[in-house]
Formats: sequence, C-alpha cells, structure tokens
Amino acid sequence: KAGVTQTPRYLIKTRGQQVTLSCSPISGHRSVSWYQQTPGQGLQFLFEYFSETQRNKGNFPGRFSGRQFSNSRSEMNVSTLELGDSALYLCASSGRDSREGDSPLHFGNGTRLTVT
Amino acid sequence: GENVEQHPSTLSVQEGDSAVIKCTYSDSASNYFPWYKQELGKGPQLIIDIRSNVGEKKDQRIAVTLNKTAKHFSLHITETQPEDSAVYFCAARVYNFNKFYFGSGTKLNVKP
Repeated sequence: KAGVTQTPRYLIKTRGQQVTLSCSPISGHRSVSWYQQTPGQGLQFLFEYFSETQRNKGNFPGRFSGRQFSNSRSEMNVSTLELGDSALYLCASSGRDSREGDSPLHFGNGTRLTVT
Repeated sequence: GENVEQHPSTLSVQEGDSAVIKCTYSDSASNYFPWYKQELGKGPQLIIDIRSNVGEKKDQRIAVTLNKTAKHFSLHITETQPEDSAVYFCAARVYNFNKFYFGSGTKLNVKP
C-alpha cells in the first residue's frame, strides 16, 4: 500500500500571502489529521477530518482551515501568513473510525513551509 | 486537556547498550499510547504502541511498558545500533477522541 503523500514538500511564501497544502491518505483510510511541528512547540494538533466533516479542532487561529473531499484527500489552507507559521506541516491518516481501539496515525513526510 | 511530558530530551549511548525513554501523561481517560521514530527529513513512523489494558508489549529489540496508576509509560530499546539514531516521540490519545498529544521528543544518538 502506498503511504500518506503530501505535496508540495517545500514552500517559500511571503508574509501576508496564503498557502494550500495537500494530503492523500493511505487507501481506505477515512480519517485525516493535520499537525504542525516546530522546534519550540513540538507536534501540535491542528484538526481532524472524517468523511468530509471536521471532527476535532486544535487551538489554532481561524487563519488555519482545512477540508476533506469525498475521496478522503485533504487540503489545509493558511491565510495571511505570519513569520511564526514557518513549520513542518504533517498530515496523518488512520484506518478505522473507532476512537477506542488501536488506530495509530500514519504520517506523511510533511510540507516544509518557510514564511519570509 | 491532556499533557504529555517526555524525558530525557537527548540521550547518547554506545552501540549495543540499552536506551530508555520515559513519558508521563495527565489525563486518566487516555487509553492508547503509540511511540514514533522520526528521521531527518521524514515524518514520524510508528514503531510500537500499547493500549491501556496492557502492561507491557515487546517487538524484537523494542518494548514498551505502561503503568496506568502512575500515568507513565516507557520505551526500551535493547542492543542499540547506529541506525536507531533518530528523534523518538511518545504520544497519548484520550478515549473517544482521535486526537493525539505528543511528548517533546528525545534525540537518541547511538555511537558506533
């Protein structure tokens, strides 16, 4: 099975611009989550989508948004970019709807966003 | 919400030695604890996990232990090899939420 695919791998944007990141989950996985990874804050949860609906949301401002399509692919959008948004953005998919059992996250290799 | 603390932040061992990384969590409703290994330029990769109804789990050179009463869990790597060098993250998931809380990471360096 192919793993989680994230595009692009690298992005350089200017403050004030907006950006869209893309994620294709493992085939058959319906849950897609997004995490921000920075040296100072570590891995922080952004949001989770399941069957095109946002199911969980982290503590990020409204400039961070996402969506999921009927084929489970997901996109994340950041508007009005700030310098502090520079980070590795990781997408992860998980296999079962169950939030009770063993449903680990399977991560992609991330999109490295640099805001100048 | 849940808070996961991880120690140490860096760990240097000689090849062949054992390495132990410890994590504590705060929410007693957490019921699933995976461990991830992240190599440079890659996303975190699951290496082992444990559910709250199990005290210990082993997979070849890697083992995880969980103490629910004390709310801590540990990763044990035996017979370390240079390719074990990476950053390791522990995580906890609160029951009924598909949202993971991660520790701050441990950079493991295995010296040949």
